[in-house]
Amino acid sequence: AQTVTQSQPEMSVQEAETVTLSCTYDTSESDYYLFWYKQPPSRQMILVIRQEAYKQQNATENRFSVNFQKAAKSFSLKISDSQLGDAAMYFCALRGGGYQKVTFGTGTKLQVIP
Amino acid sequence: KAGVTQTPRYLIKTRGQQVTLSCSPISGHRSVSWYQQTPGQGLQFLFEYFSETQRNKGNFPGRFSGRQFSNSRSEMNVSTLELGDSALYLCASSLDSGIQETQYFGPGTRLLVL
Repeated sequence: AQTVTQSQPEMSVQEAETVTLSCTYDTSESDYYLFWYKQPPSRQMILVIRQEAYKQQNATENRFSVNFQKAAKSFSLKISDSQLGDAAMYFCALRGGGYQKVTFGTGTKLQVIP
Repeated sequence: KAGVTQTPRYLIKTRGQQVTLSCSPISGHRSVSWYQQTPGQGLQFLFEYFSETQRNKGNFPGRFSGRQFSNSRSEMNVSTLELGDSALYLCASSLDSGIQETQYFGPGTRLLVL
């Protein structure tokens, strides 16, 4: 079984500042992918960034980057230069090998303060 | 390309009734997954279909069923509705069902059971 834990139900950040959202996971698979999805108030969930477990280099997409600590089973998301449009629910997700389902964390609601 | 579409967007039913929700994936995508999203339980995986075959199933009672057609469109059915089935039902499609696949989500169907 695989699990994903997001321990921060809510976070807030000042506009233009940096914020880090935490995610820990557990899986018995050696090969797996980790994802961060964003769900704005309009409800359409979109992919923010993804990381393959075999890659040591942390993934980066513009202002979004991850800190992937494989041994610690930690996968945090850093948002730099936060913008009002970043306000949303952020979900961490994991998919292991062997056609396992995607497991989502409970989400972190990010508020961006102007 | 058109995104994932779900119909209907909103639905009101009464206890004991049954409901069918529809999902049309992005053209060329062969995998469709369904999720139930509630404030209390978060995103709960229902099932995943790939090339008309159910590849994974979550921990939901047999009242929840689904299928996928040859054109990859998918339907999910809930029979004998209960109040607790009120939720946002999200459909997600991906090109394949591999672990690296990004899921593209639809806007969801909001079901209210009275």
